[in-house]
Amino acid sequence: GAVVSQHPSRVICKSGTSVKIECRSLDFQATTMFWYRQFPKQSLMLMATSNEGSKATYEQGVEKDKFLINHASLTLSTLTVTSAHPEDSSFYICSARSGFNQPQHFGDGTRLSIL
Amino acid sequence: KQEVTQIPAALSVPEGENLVLNCSFTDSAIYNLQWFRQDPGKGLTSLLLIQSSQREQTSGRLNASLDKSSGRSTLYIAASQPGDSATYLCAVRPTGTASKLTFGTGTRLQVTL
Repeated sequence: GAVVSQHPSRVICKSGTSVKIECRSLDFQATTMFWYRQFPKQSLMLMATSNEGSKATYEQGVEKDKFLINHASLTLSTLTVTSAHPEDSSFYICSARSGFNQPQHFGDGTRLSIL
Repeated sequence: KQEVTQIPAALSVPEGENLVLNCSFTDSAIYNLQWFRQDPGKGLTSLLLIQSSQREQTSGRLNASLDKSSGRSTLYIAASQPGDSATYLCAVRPTGTASKLTFGTGTRLQVTL
């Protein structure tokens, strides 16, 4: 089956640090990748959608200068949380699909903790 | 704006029981509906996907139904096992070019010995 690998699984860092999270589709080409954020005991909230080679489309209320998304290839997207602060601590999950009519496949998530 | 609600928010059942999880959505113009499982601190595992033209899908002990006109879906789990303990999320995908999933609030299931 389709596998999405997300790395790292956990990050703990100091306030002000920038953190990069990688999302890779291992056995398919991901034309579209999605980045979600999940707070404890809450559901997933879509942050942005990225198509390979294009700028990401951000959801309302998500700061694009804060959360930099790059989708430079059909198998890799990265989310960089710039100058992270404690309120950015959350669980970040990526997903990918191989075509418009295809289902999304999810990574295992990254637990980000900002001290 | 699509809203997806799941009831109950939490459920605890003894092993062996059959159970039903509910998902309701406000906009019936959906492309498909998907049920996911999420273990603590993990990502999502897709369980079943129902296209808008389908009424149900089955996989092993799981059966998901879809009633698009009433905006409801159910996930039936037969003969529950402790390994079924997890959070179950439903998500709907709308028709049209805006293909973003809208997730429900989830049901936290615990199956006890």
